[in-house]
Amino acid sequence: EPEVTQTPSHQVTQMGQEVILRCVPISNHLYFYWYRQILGQKVEFLVSFYNNEISEKSEIFDDQFSVERPDGSNFTLKIRSTKLEDSAMYFCASSEEPYLMTEAFFGQGTRLTVV
Amino acid sequence: ILNVEQSPQSLHVQEGDSTNFTCSFPSSNFYALHWYRWETAKSPEALFVMTLNGDEKKKGRISATLNTKEGYSYLYIKGSQPEDSATYLCACLNTGFQKLVFGTGTRLLVSP
Repeated sequence: EPEVTQTPSHQVTQMGQEVILRCVPISNHLYFYWYRQILGQKVEFLVSFYNNEISEKSEIFDDQFSVERPDGSNFTLKIRSTKLEDSAMYFCASSEEPYLMTEAFFGQGTRLTVV
Repeated sequence: ILNVEQSPQSLHVQEGDSTNFTCSFPSSNFYALHWYRWETAKSPEALFVMTLNGDEKKKGRISATLNTKEGYSYLYIKGSQPEDSATYLCACLNTGFQKLVFGTGTRLLVSP
């Protein structure tokens, strides 16, 4: 069964360092998303991406964040200068249809710890 | 601001018990409601996507209903099994947006 895969599963980084979280969405999906969950809080939306551009982003997704689909299969989230409050589980998701009329498929997540 | 609430926060039942959880959301600008099942160390897995008032969906022992006029959805599990233990997340989508807004989840533990 097709699945969304994320790497690494766990990343520890020092405050101020850049991190890149990687995702391979399901191959025939066209809509891609990043969400995150800070420990003890709700899962929250970061960004949606379609046709090689951001289609929607949240207030959290400031200039420190960027997304890219560099090679037609990977979908990456970059945090330029990490802060302690960026520590969270980051989930990538993809879907076949726009506006999530059908289910989103989520990866297992990358746990980012900023020290 | 779209705020999605779920209750209860956690639930502990015995194997064979039937149970249900609630997801509530603002009814204005409603577009779709998703239910996900999330086991520890695994990906959240979609259970249902519901869009129409009065929708009822079923997958095995799990079913869900949707009331968009009053802004709630129920998830039912009939005859709970230990493998049903997971966090059940609901997420709401408003018209014109592409982001799912999640509730806090209901953590279900089913004891043998």
